[in-house]
Amino acid sequence: KAGVTQTPRYLIKTRGQQVTLSCSPISGHRSVSWYQQTPGQGLQFLFEYFSETQRNKGNFPGRFSGRQFSNSRSEMNVSTLELGDSALYLCASSPRGGYGYTFGSGTRLTVV
Amino acid sequence: DQQVKQNSPSLSVQEGRISILNCDYTNSMFDYFLWYKKYPAEGPTFLISISSIKDKNEDGRFTVFLNKSAKHLSLHIVPSQPGDSAVYFCAASSTGNQFYFGTGTSLTVIP
Repeated sequence: KAGVTQTPRYLIKTRGQQVTLSCSPISGHRSVSWYQQTPGQGLQFLFEYFSETQRNKGNFPGRFSGRQFSNSRSEMNVSTLELGDSALYLCASSPRGGYGYTFGSGTRLTVV
Repeated sequence: DQQVKQNSPSLSVQEGRISILNCDYTNSMFDYFLWYKKYPAEGPTFLISISSIKDKNEDGRFTVFLNKSAKHLSLHIVPSQPGDSAVYFCAASSTGNQFYFGTGTSLTVIP
């Protein structure tokens, strides 16, 4: 079966702009989580969506937001981009929750 | 506040020998732990997990040990192979819906 698909794979944006990243989970998976990976910080949890509802949220500013659609696809939006937002953004899906995460390949965001 | 720590950023091991990757955590409420492997330009892939009711879980060449009193877990790879060269992340959770990841250990297996 198809894995977790993240688009785009690479993105370059300018400070102050906003960006939207997309994640299509494995068919049948209803939970989608987003993580930010930066050097030296590991993977930092952003938020988790389940059945179109945000179920958990990490310690990120309000500039980071997300949503999930009825087909379980999820989008993550970052507004007013800062240089420090440059990172690999990973999406993970699972049937119901974190046990059994499958990660996508990520979107590499560079803010210049 | 890093609740899961991997204090060794890198590790080099000869092919055929044992690789031991370590992970420490601070939250005593964590009851489920996982190890992920990550190759460059790919997302992390699940390797092995352990719940707090066990102290050891084995899957082929991979064994995870959990020491709850020390809040420490380790991943043993025996024998190590060049294809095991990757970054390894440990992760912990108390809810199953939010995982705390370590900063990763880059393993290099030398042929």
